Formats: sequence, structure tokens, C-alpha cells
Amino acid sequence: EADIYQTPRYLVIGTGKKITLECSQTMGHDKMYWYQQDPGMELHLIHYSYGVNSTEKGDLSSESTVSRIRTEHFPLTLESARPSHTSQYLCASSEGTGHYGYTFGSGTRLTVV
Amino acid sequence: AQTVTQSQPEMSVQEAETVTLSCTYDTSESDYYLFWYKQPPSRQMILVIRQEAYKQQNATENRFSVNFQKAAKSFSLKISDSQLGDAAMYFCAYRRGWNTGNQFYFGTGTSLTVIP
Repeated sequence: EADIYQTPRYLVIGTGKKITLECSQTMGHDKMYWYQQDPGMELHLIHYSYGVNSTEKGDLSSESTVSRIRTEHFPLTLESARPSHTSQYLCASSEGTGHYGYTFGSGTRLTVV
Repeated sequence: AQTVTQSQPEMSVQEAETVTLSCTYDTSESDYYLFWYKQPPSRQMILVIRQEAYKQQNATENRFSVNFQKAAKSFSLKISDSQLGDAAMYFCAYRRGWNTGNQFYFGTGTSLTVIP
């Protein structure tokens, strides 16, 4: 079954640690996205990719980085986690035009202590 | 910049009744797409319904329908015969039209409670 997978689902980590949030999709979608979601707030785009070796920053400034070496894989990395990074991170993908909406992963809830 | 506004942070509905969630958006574009997404607690966000701006006919998916008022820039979601499984956060989203980038703009969400 075609889908999009995020791991881990929950992560509690200490300040200063390096972390990578994984996102993989099996649909062959060229376009992938990372959103940050806080309670009561809209989703904010932090990174997107239109294909292999293509990555761009979104509207919300983020200290995270992303890579797109394979079509199906779009990991997000924080080199040094801080409490301000505590949030839910959602990965999504879409077919070429995006007219049919995103497919979302289940999210990673990150807590930095 | 595009903005999407959901003015109802929380709504509740009796099981089997009908509820309408509101959404307004701001755009100067004539070609765009609108979506409603459902996010159950701790679960994946899924697409409920979509509407192309160039279509005057309101989209319908089983118990879910929209009231799309293009001039008013309004896009409300009606859930008929509400079920316990409808309880979730609902997000309205906007996407610009053809070949103008794929970014979606989301509202802040409406938390729907279904009362047995």
C-alpha cells in the first residue's frame, strides 16, 4: 500500500544533541515537504523539495537542514537541538501538480529537554 | 500573501446531527484549490474533500460537502449525520493554481467534538 512513513513517532532528547527525523514515501512523488505544527497554530512550511538534489527553505525560518538524495527519502536534521525546537514535525508529499492535495505522514512529536 | 482563517477553534455536535465548519481565505488569484483535512488525535492527517476554484459546483464526498462562495472567499465544510469517528482537528488549506508552486497554506484548525 502506497504511503508515507515518519520515524520516530515520539522523541525526547537533551539539549545540544544531533537528531535526524526520517521520512520516506512509496508513491514515487517528486515533491516532498516538512511542516512544523504547534497547538492552535497553522502548519508552517519549513523545507520542501521538488526532486532529487533539490531542496528549498520554506516560509518559517528553521535551524534544521534537509537532504534529498533519493526520491523516496527526505530526512530532516537538527545539528544541535534546543527547547525551542520542541514541536510536531509533519512530512508530506504530492504528485506533480499538487492539485490532489498532500499525503501526510503520522508526524514526529519532538520534545527537547 | 495568502492567508486562511478558521474562526472556530472548537466546535461540538451531537451524534447523527449536522455541523458546519467555517473557513475564509484571502487571495488575489483566480485559479486555486481548496482542501479540508482531518487530523484525528495522534494520527495521520488525511484529505477529506477538495474544490477547484474554477468549478462552481460544490464538492461532495459521502457525508462531507462544502459550500464554496468564491466572491466571498468562503469555503465551509458541512458534515452530515455526524459519527463518533468524525471527532478530530479539521484544517482548511489553500493552494495556488497551475504551475505556481506547490505550497499549501493552512488555517489554525477547528477541533470537532462529537457527543454521543
